[in-house]
Amino acid sequence: DIVMTQTPLSLSVTPGQPASISCKSSQNLLHSDGKTYFYWYLQKPGQSPQLLIYEVSSRFSGVPDRFSGSGSGTDFTLKISRVEAEDVGLYFCMQGLHVPKTFGQGTKVEIK
Amino acid sequence: QVQLQQSGPGLVKPSQTLSLTCAISGDSVSSNSAAWNWIRQSPSRGLEWLGRTYYRSKWYNDYAVSVKSRIIINPDTSKNQFSLQLNSVTPEDTAVYYCAREAPIWVWGQGTLVTVSS
Repeated sequence: DIVMTQTPLSLSVTPGQPASISCKSSQNLLHSDGKTYFYWYLQKPGQSPQLLIYEVSSRFSGVPDRFSGSGSGTDFTLKISRVEAEDVGLYFCMQGLHVPKTFGQGTKVEIK
Repeated sequence: QVQLQQSGPGLVKPSQTLSLTCAISGDSVSSNSAAWNWIRQSPSRGLEWLGRTYYRSKWYNDYAVSVKSRIIINPDTSKNQFSLQLNSVTPEDTAVYYCAREAPIWVWGQGTLVTVSS
């Protein structure tokens, strides 16, 4: 199975400041079709996960542009340029290349 | 816009069968470009992918090794939905269960808390 290792596991951020979350996969997530099947989600308290970023760096419809994804192969990063109060929740990464689909442990983001 | 609506009981007795249904709107369970997944989330295990069904000229299934002997995921083309059956449940199967559409964009259902308890 592909192991997804996320860091840090928790983050306390002052509003307006940047934040960064890393996710490393144990295998290269690049498919032969040229796409990298890597995703970032935010799960707000009591809600189902909502897609933020797909295929490493594509922002999903309606996601604010303060969220950006980068990386390739096995190393990926989610950046929030200026954290807002509504950004609190659990952020997790997911690989969709192989079954079983696997997830990072999650990063809990709170506001200072 | 694709939407998934989950239904099913929130309480199941140990040794019995957990059954959930995911109704699809805005897409077809028979789509040749999508797959239909079940995922669960618990404090002890985090997010755990359980399995999927998909149609590529015929129906296929993939299951997680951890539940392979107990799980069935079935499509229902007449109702445009798919279902999860997990047999012989124990308290360790207590979790929030999600259905999700895979590719090109992942869409998740609202989640169903299933508690296994007598």
